[in-house]
Amino acid sequence: EADIYQTPRYLVIGTGKKITLECSQTMGHDKMYWYQQDPGMELHLIHYSYGVNSTEKGDLSSESTVSRIRTEHFPLTLESARPSHTSQYLCASKELGGRGNTIYFGEGSWLTVV
Amino acid sequence: SQQGEEDPQALSIQEGENATMNCSYKTSINNLQWYRQNSGRGLVHLILIRSNEREKHSGRLRVTLDTSKKSSSLLITASRAADTASYFCATDARNNNDMRFGAGTRLTVKP
Repeated sequence: EADIYQTPRYLVIGTGKKITLECSQTMGHDKMYWYQQDPGMELHLIHYSYGVNSTEKGDLSSESTVSRIRTEHFPLTLESARPSHTSQYLCASKELGGRGNTIYFGEGSWLTVV
Repeated sequence: SQQGEEDPQALSIQEGENATMNCSYKTSINNLQWYRQNSGRGLVHLILIRSNEREKHSGRLRVTLDTSKKSSSLLITASRAADTASYFCATDARNNNDMRFGAGTRLTVKP
C-alpha cells in the first residue's frame, strides 16, 4: 500500500487564482515527481526532484512551479490559473538510485479552472 | 517525448477471454514496469521485468520482454470485469533514473 497523499482531490477555481496542490509521502523516498494527465490520455512529466532543494523541469513545459524544502513534501503551485490548466495532476515518488524501484502514485488531484 | 508506447489504444473483450497489450520503447533500459489505472485514480504497480529477463509471471499476469525489438507484452488471462482499467508501461532508462510512461491501453472487460 502506497503512503503518498495528495490534497485536494478535486478543486474548482476561477481564472487568475493562485493554487497549490499538496503532495506528501511517508516512505522516505528521495525522488518525487509531478505528472499531468488529461482524461484518457498519457502521463506527461512536468517536474521532478532528486531530494531536498532539488527541482527539475520535466518533458512537458508547465507554468507551474515546485519546491522541495522537506523530503516528505513536494507541493506544486500555479501562480495564476487558466482554463488550459484544467487537468489531473499526479504526484509520485520512488527511492533514489538502485534498479527496479517501483514508483508509487498518489490518487491524483483533479483541477478545473473556470 | 514519452518513452513507452502501448498498443492497442483500446481493447474490448468478454469476461473469461485473454487480453494482450503491447509496449514499445526507444532507448536502452534497466527494467520495464506495467501499471494499472482505474478511472480517475492514481496508477498502481503490477509487475516489473528486468532487462536480463525474458518472461515473468504474477498470478493471472504474464509479461514478456524482447530487448532486441525494444518491446514488451502484458497478458491477462481469464479476464474479469474488475480488470477493466487503463494499463501503462513505464521504462527506467539506463541513461537516467526517470520513469517515462506511454499513452496506455484502455481495457474493457464485458461481463
